[in-house]
Formats: sequence, structure tokens, C-alpha cells
Amino acid sequence: SQQGEEDPQALSIQEGENATMNCSYKTSINNLQWYRQNSGRGLVHLILIRSNEREKHSGRLRVTLDTSKKSSSLLITASRAADTASYFCATHSGAGSYQLTFGKGTKLSVIP
Amino acid sequence: DTAVSQTPKYLVTQMGNDKSIKCEQNLGHDTMYWYKQDSKKFLKIMFSYNNKELIINETVPNRFSPKSPDKAHLNLHINSLELGDSAVYFCASCRVRSNQPQHFGDGTRLSIL
Repeated sequence: SQQGEEDPQALSIQEGENATMNCSYKTSINNLQWYRQNSGRGLVHLILIRSNEREKHSGRLRVTLDTSKKSSSLLITASRAADTASYFCATHSGAGSYQLTFGKGTKLSVIP
Repeated sequence: DTAVSQTPKYLVTQMGNDKSIKCEQNLGHDTMYWYKQDSKKFLKIMFSYNNKELIINETVPNRFSPKSPDKAHLNLHINSLELGDSAVYFCASCRVRSNQPQHFGDGTRLSIL
């Protein structure tokens, strides 16, 4: 069943600007993950944030998690043309669960 | 040295045919998945196998039958293909512990004529 909902569905920015994507979910989670999908390729894991964490950084990526609002955001700073891709959030419901539930994704276009 | 590899990358066939997609992972993972991604990029899980045992079987027509000969392989056989089966099918794998990400293949684009 659909869990995450990304917002916006599409985002177009100039190279060098920051890009923010949001994800909302409905049920309690163990962790939330962000993935990137380049055109014609599979999904690539970017970053994972546990339910007891509020913020996490990895290079130019910053992820926040607000479990009270059941929402997360992914910030990409100083965007590059190579960041052009679709970005998906995925929720993991609990320890030992085999399943990730993916949102519908945000299509990011970074214009050189 | 591709971690999760799927074959074929493209599959074009006629309605009513039977086809198979193969997936192999060399990461030593114990769990493998099949996902279907539709034209709107929505990714939906179809099946999951853990140590060759079927764990997840979402509402998928019986025409779809996964087979896991060993922990490194999960194949997908589709009988009597229909127009609505046109999509990109992704294989993924992971080690099932909390906080382990999934690794995806590059997908098989299935087009039904």
C-alpha cells in the first residue's frame, strides 16, 4: 500500500541553488530512506534516518525527520546538473520487516 | 562486478506470450525483491524472498510466478502477457536487518505489443 507521498511532484532549479523535497507518511516507522533514480537506471540509496533521529547529513544532502508530523525533507545544497533525477522516500515499518514502501517520487531538474 | 544484475534489459513481446526475467545478486544478501514501476514512476512491491522462502506476495495476478533457486537468484516468470503488464520491473536485494538499504538492478523494460 502507498505510504510515502513526495512533494512537489516536479521541481526545476538553476545549478547552484538548493533543492528541497518533502515526504509524508501515514503509519509509524522504524526508519525512512531516500533513494535517487537516474533516467533508465535503478534506484540508488542515498541516506537513511532512524525514527529516533531528527537530522542527518551526508555530503551535500541533509535529511530531517519529524515523527510527530510524519514527515521528512531532503535538502540538496549547491545543486549540480548531475543531481537531475527522481528522488523517492521509502519507509521501513519495523525491525525484521522485509518491506520498504515507496512514495511516488519528486522529479528534480537542475538547469546548467 | 555489478551488484544486482537483471536480464534482459529490454523485452518486447506480443500479448499472450510467456516470458521470464532473471535476477542475480553477488552481495551475499539474504533477501530479494521484485518491484513493478509504472509509467508514472510509482514503484510497487510484488514479491520478496528471504533465504529462498516467499515472504511477501502482494496482490499480483497468478500469471506472475517468482522462483528462487538459491539465495543469489530470483527469477520472474510471466504467463499470458497482457497489455497492462507493460512496465519496468526492478529486482532488489538486501540483508534483512533494521537499517539496511536495498540495492537495485537497472530494471527490465517490458513492452507488450
